[in-house]
Amino acid sequence: EVQLVESGGGLVQPGRSLKLSCVASGFTFSNYGMNWIRQAPGKGLEWVAYISSGSSYIYYAETVKGRFTISRDNAKNTLYLQMTSLRSEDTALYYCARQRYGGLFDYWGQGVMVTVSS
Amino acid sequence: DTVLTQSPALAVSPGERVSISCRASEGVNSYMHWYQQKPGQQPKLLIYKASNLASGVPARFSGSGSGTDFTLTIDPVEADDTATYFCQQSWNDPRTFGGGTKLELK
Repeated sequence: EVQLVESGGGLVQPGRSLKLSCVASGFTFSNYGMNWIRQAPGKGLEWVAYISSGSSYIYYAETVKGRFTISRDNAKNTLYLQMTSLRSEDTALYYCARQRYGGLFDYWGQGVMVTVSS
Repeated sequence: DTVLTQSPALAVSPGERVSISCRASEGVNSYMHWYQQKPGQQPKLLIYKASNLASGVPARFSGSGSGTDFTLTIDPVEADDTATYFCQQSWNDPRTFGGGTKLELK
């Protein structure tokens, strides 16, 4: 069974940093591109970042470019999102999601909440 | 960015047929996907590449469309289908989602 389990969220002050993790199991992690997708409270979904299976290709949404860094450790089956210079508008539930060929997201974690507030 | 427009909400009775639309601001070929999100849960893939049923999804769900206009159809609707439905395109970068259609049952 495919499982994605996020952790690392919490309450953080504006301007500070936070690092999210997503541990994958039930599939060969190193074969898949992975994404972070977020959802502000009561709002829709926003794609945040993508990393290819071997970390060769990395893309970010314009809203986080230069502040967030996506990375992965295939030996540990873990995806990361380093978030710096956090803003109130980054407050959201952050999901990690596996990407299948064609750009669709076929499995999602349960999400981890990040709240940016003073 | 490609903007995906969905109606905000629909209300139907169990047993009826419902169609949820998604219109793209520019062509996305057939690279439109649909997700179901129930309250307090993560999104779940329903339909990929416009018309392909994801694994384990009941055949009551179907998708159609190409280019800029897409439809998710549920026939017949069941009580358990109460959820928000999102479309997502992967033809143009960045990947974008529709605002979601909240389906309520009468």
